[in-house]
Amino acid sequence: DAKTTQPNSMESNEEEPVHLPCNHSTISGTDYIHWYRQLPSQGPEYVIHGLTSNVNNRMASLAIAEDRKSSTLILHRATLRDAAVYYCILRDSDYKLSFGAGTTVTVRA
Amino acid sequence: SQTIHQWPATLVQPVGSPLSLECTVEGTSNPNLYWYRQAAGRGLQLLFYSVGIGQISSEVPQNLSASRPQDRQFILSSKKLLLSDSGFYLCAWSVSGGRKVKKLFFGSGTQLSVL
Repeated sequence: DAKTTQPNSMESNEEEPVHLPCNHSTISGTDYIHWYRQLPSQGPEYVIHGLTSNVNNRMASLAIAEDRKSSTLILHRATLRDAAVYYCILRDSDYKLSFGAGTTVTVRA
Repeated sequence: SQTIHQWPATLVQPVGSPLSLECTVEGTSNPNLYWYRQAAGRGLQLLFYSVGIGQISSEVPQNLSASRPQDRQFILSSKKLLLSDSGFYLCAWSVSGGRKVKKLFFGSGTQLSVL
């Protein structure tokens, strides 16, 4: 499986943007980039996904580098409810989705 | 709309006792089903996945097993629990078919403590 590398943790102030980086230098041409987040004591929830172009939805934006070897999840205005572990995942299988350790985001009031 | 139910929410079991965790999905047909485990402070480990009734793929050799007796029911079992089986167990589903954009939808999880 293609692997991703994320920082262990990031801190942000409330109402400020958060940029979460993810490196995936071994990504193949057909791998989709998925982001999930996990709030404490809950199951992960889908955030966003993309292939080549930047993507926006109501939760976040995903910026994908031109060579696709890295991407950045952008939370435009962090709230206390955004404190979670964020997982960057490469979808390289029709059936399996493998989760790494993710980035723990802390939001300061 | 689709919903996923997982129970119980918490479970404390002695070493050597059996285990049965159940997961059901509503509002969809022929889903792909998954069991994940998360040790404290760690990422998620895929244990089993199923693409149809009676079809189970195991990702990690262990003393756990999974079964899918009905289309939308997924069961995780063990005959004898070990201390190392403690963790947060999550059931998930996705639509079937060969597409890499499929989203995973997770249940609320079962916190299992083996003592």
